[in-house]
This record gives sequence, structure tokens and C-alpha cells, in this order.
Amino acid sequence: DQQVKQNSPSLSVQEGRISILNCDYTNSMFDYFLWYKKYPAEGPTFLISISSIKDKNEDGRFTVFLNKSAKHLSLHIVPSQPGDSAVYFCAAVSGYSTLTFGKGTMLLVSP
Amino acid sequence: DADVTQTPRNRITKTGKRIMLECSQTKGHDRMYWYRQDPGLGLRLIYYSFDVKDINKGEISDGYSVSRQAQAKFSLSLESAIPNQTALYFCATSSTVNLQETQYFGPGTRLLVL
Repeated sequence: DQQVKQNSPSLSVQEGRISILNCDYTNSMFDYFLWYKKYPAEGPTFLISISSIKDKNEDGRFTVFLNKSAKHLSLHIVPSQPGDSAVYFCAAVSGYSTLTFGKGTMLLVSP
Repeated sequence: DADVTQTPRNRITKTGKRIMLECSQTKGHDRMYWYRQDPGLGLRLIYYSFDVKDINKGEISDGYSVSRQAQAKFSLSLESAIPNQTALYFCATSSTVNLQETQYFGPGTRLLVL
């Protein structure tokens, strides 16, 4: 049973517009959520995170929103740039457990 | 220099062969992990180690074994490789100093089992 779900395998956005990547989770014990970005031929790199005590965290062009009642989080990228084209993984963790990853969403930002 | 390194970066092997993938880190982290990535399946945890004396099975440990030779080194072995172990393998590290778990990944090893 998948505890972290990214239901959109891919997303296409034009440069300058907003990209919104979504993630749903089923385990109510998750208390920390992360987004990783992965380019081809490279390992995933940490992008941004949010604790369950918050509903928003912002870092430059990247903002993560958490809706605990809906067990949903989203990553907003504004404005989107071609260099943002990558696979984005949502991950979640509870306490000292290991990370649980979603299957990823491939974002393509076209000029 | 990279904080998390993996060797080899690419490997082709035959069914039944034993192979070892190695991971080294200079971040001083106590936790290390091995994942595999398959198309459409995301990252799945194979084994993890919270310190040198600690080894734990992950979601998909069958057919794999690991060795934590030192704090900085964590190797993954396929005792008898089979074609469905063809995948991209990632090593990762994290620290317990920061209570919020953030993992740092190596560049990956692309393995093809014929």
C-alpha cells in the first residue's frame, strides 16, 4: 500500500508560469515532509521541507504548502524556469523512521 | 569533491554473478541507506544502517546484502544477480544531529544484469 502518492507522472509548464506539484499521503503519523529534485544521471537533491506544525514554508521561488486535514501537500514553483525541468519526489517521515518516497513527477518547463 | 560517492557508476554483469556496489561519504553522518530506482516506481529502500553496528532491512531487501565497514562506508552486494535487479542504485546519508531527517544522495550506480 502506497503511503505517499504522486498521482501525476508528468507536468508541462511554460517558462514564467507557476508549476504546482501535488502529493498525498495516507499515514497520519508522518510529521515531516520533504521535496527532492532529480536531474538525469544525478542523485536526488534536497529542495525544501516542511514540518507538520506549519502549513507553509517558502524558499525563494519554491513554496511548499501542507494541508494536514486533507493529508495533502503541494510544491509551488514561481516563476518556473527551464532549469527546473527534472523529476520531483515527495517524501515523508515520522519520528526517527526512514523516509517514504512517492513515485515522482517529471516536470518539463518549456521556453 | 562530492560528499557521497558511489563506485562503480555503471556496471554490466551476467545472471548469477556476485557483485558489490560501494558507497563512501565524507559528511560524517552516522546513517546510511541503499535505494533502488525503477521507472514508475520511485525510490525504494533496500537496506539502512543507523550506525556501524546497526543493519536493517528495508522495503525490498530480498536478494541483497549489505556491510557497514566503517562509519563512512556502506556496501551493497548482490549475491547472485538476476535480470530484475537491473536498476539505478542510490546510496544516501543523513545525520541524527538534525532531528528532521534530510538525506543526501550519491550520484547513483546504473546496473544492468544480462
